[in-house]
Amino acid sequence: EPEVTQTPSHQVTQMGQEVILRCVPISNHLYFYWYRQILGQKVEFLVSFYNNEISEKSEIFDDQFSVERPDGSNFTLKIRSTKLEDSAMYFCASGDAGTSGNIQYFGAGTRLSVL
Amino acid sequence: SQQGEEDPQALSIQEGENATMNCSYKTSINNLQWYRQNSGRGLVHLILIRSNEREKHSGRLRVTLDTSKKSSSLLITASRAADTASYFCATDPSGNRDDKIIFGKGTRLHILP
Repeated sequence: EPEVTQTPSHQVTQMGQEVILRCVPISNHLYFYWYRQILGQKVEFLVSFYNNEISEKSEIFDDQFSVERPDGSNFTLKIRSTKLEDSAMYFCASGDAGTSGNIQYFGAGTRLSVL
Repeated sequence: SQQGEEDPQALSIQEGENATMNCSYKTSINNLQWYRQNSGRGLVHLILIRSNEREKHSGRLRVTLDTSKKSSSLLITASRAADTASYFCATDPSGNRDDKIIFGKGTRLHILP
């Protein structure tokens, strides 16, 4: 069964460093998303991406964040200068929206630890 | 505004019993979905119910939706140890351009042997 894959599973970084979280969405999906989940809290929307551009972003997704789909398969989230409060699980999701009613398929997540 | 508030926050039941979790939301929706998350893992889609549906079944899962009360329930019948996980409702708000779904805080379900 097709699945969303995320790498790495755990990323440890120093405050102020740049990190890139990688995702390979399900191949025939057109909609891509990033969410994050701070330990013990709810899953929060960061950004959605469609047709090679951001379609919606939350207030969390400030200038330190960017997304890219550099080729036909990868979807990345970059945090330019990490802060302690960026420590969280980051989930990538993809979906085909219209046909499924916006069911989103999630990867296993990347745990980001900012020291 | 907050959307998708589940209750209870935590639930422990004996294996074989039924587990019921509830979700309330604030805005009009296109649909409501339930997801499961095993500890430290990703979210797995369980079931979607559209705004014009009142009840839906999938295996041991039964979901109801009451749009007048802006609430939904997830019933897991004949629970098993493997059902131990956190369960989240997620709403797709009306007018949404197939963008974000909004998650609640979740119910932590623990099935006791």
